[in-house]
Amino acid sequence: GENVEQHPSTLSVQEGDSAVIKCTYSDSASNYFPWYKQELGKRPQLIIDIRSNVGEKKDQRIAVTLNKTAKHFSLHITETQPEDSAVYFCAAPLGDYKLSFGAGTTVTVRA
Amino acid sequence: EAEVAQSPRYKITEKSQAVAFWCDPISGHATLYWYRQILGQGPELLVQFQDESVVDDSQLPKDRFSAERLKGVDSTLKIQPAELGDSAMYLCASGGRAVETQYFGPGTRLLVL
Repeated sequence: GENVEQHPSTLSVQEGDSAVIKCTYSDSASNYFPWYKQELGKRPQLIIDIRSNVGEKKDQRIAVTLNKTAKHFSLHITETQPEDSAVYFCAAPLGDYKLSFGAGTTVTVRA
Repeated sequence: EAEVAQSPRYKITEKSQAVAFWCDPISGHATLYWYRQILGQGPELLVQFQDESVVDDSQLPKDRFSAERLKGVDSTLKIQPAELGDSAMYLCASGGRAVETQYFGPGTRLLVL
């Protein structure tokens, strides 16, 4: 989406290493930032989200950090496993009612 | 756990034919979204409903696409006539009234020949 830029577009990591995906957004009023994981042929599923009143949120091996000043947020996956291989999408609000999605990052975890 | 339902899961049609997709959101969700996802890209919003009203259809090609949510529950997206470039995954999602978590359905994969 035009509101959200996501990098990198592809990411290959060795099993056990960390993966980091970064997104930048343009609307300074944005206050909700979800991350979705989409496995091949399946629906996007929410894996973690963060609101603008916190700078970091963790859920087991997944964490999201938010820098409101710089208008970027990042997904961190630690101790990657083969089942982490998927396409990951970030999103940010565009206006009051819409989410604008990034173009996606294809993560491949090498065994 | 409640999920968004969509049908059909796959649809193959010839160009110039009409196709229709159906979505049943999670019970109680006021907002329903239709997205188009081209392979290798993120979901692109086509239309958004709040209850039975359209709140955003700015990206919907209205010459051939239509969407309705008559009773504010399930929804239908129609394409008539279908074109080759419409081949994509059509995803439905639902959520609460504010911009927050959206839950996606399994999608309808459309192939136009």
